[in-house]
Amino acid sequence: DAKTTQPPSMDCAEGRAANLPCNHSTISGNEYVYWYRQIHSQGPQYIIHGLKNNETNEMASLIITEDRKSSTLILPHATLRDTAVYYCIVRIAGGTSYGKLTFGQGTILTVHP
Amino acid sequence: GAVVSQHPSRVICKSGTSVKIECRSLDFQATTMFWYRQFPKQSLMLMATSNEGSKATYEQGVEKDKFLINHASLTLSTLTVTSAHPEDSSFYICSASPGDRTEAFFGQGTRLTVV
Repeated sequence: DAKTTQPPSMDCAEGRAANLPCNHSTISGNEYVYWYRQIHSQGPQYIIHGLKNNETNEMASLIITEDRKSSTLILPHATLRDTAVYYCIVRIAGGTSYGKLTFGQGTILTVHP
Repeated sequence: GAVVSQHPSRVICKSGTSVKIECRSLDFQATTMFWYRQFPKQSLMLMATSNEGSKATYEQGVEKDKFLINHASLTLSTLTVTSAHPEDSSFYICSASPGDRTEAFFGQGTRLTVV
């Protein structure tokens, strides 16, 4: 699976959009970009994933650049409960169970009142 | 749907004793489950893959005789930390994924403290 690079920490004001970047310059054509988050002392939670098209769900939006070498997770209206570590993970589709993931250090997002 | 539950959420044990942690898939069957360990201020590290009806496979550096994994049914995997020592104190997390989903589902984690 391709390696990802994320900033170690970011801050965001409550109610504003949080834009979390991720670089994955060695991504292969059959690798998806996944985002998970881990709130303190809890198990990780799936947020969203995509291959090359932008994706949106009830939690967030995922913007993937045309060359697929980077992506941005957007939380449109951040709340205090969005304070967490956000992990960007690249992995192939299929093959090993999707429960198996390689985690980097992630980005600590702190949402301020 | 797709709920993974761990028990207990928190456990304190004495050095030298063994501790069992359960991971259950509540609304789906999981032939494969995964166990992770997370030390304070660090990321999750995969420890082992739990395979229903067969032996677990362990990541490099993880002692299979110390971390016993049993996956006797399609909804339950257990991790037993044997002869626990203070350095085994950590946050243990399991994951699984239903066959028709492309994302992972995680348990709430188990905080183990060995005193």
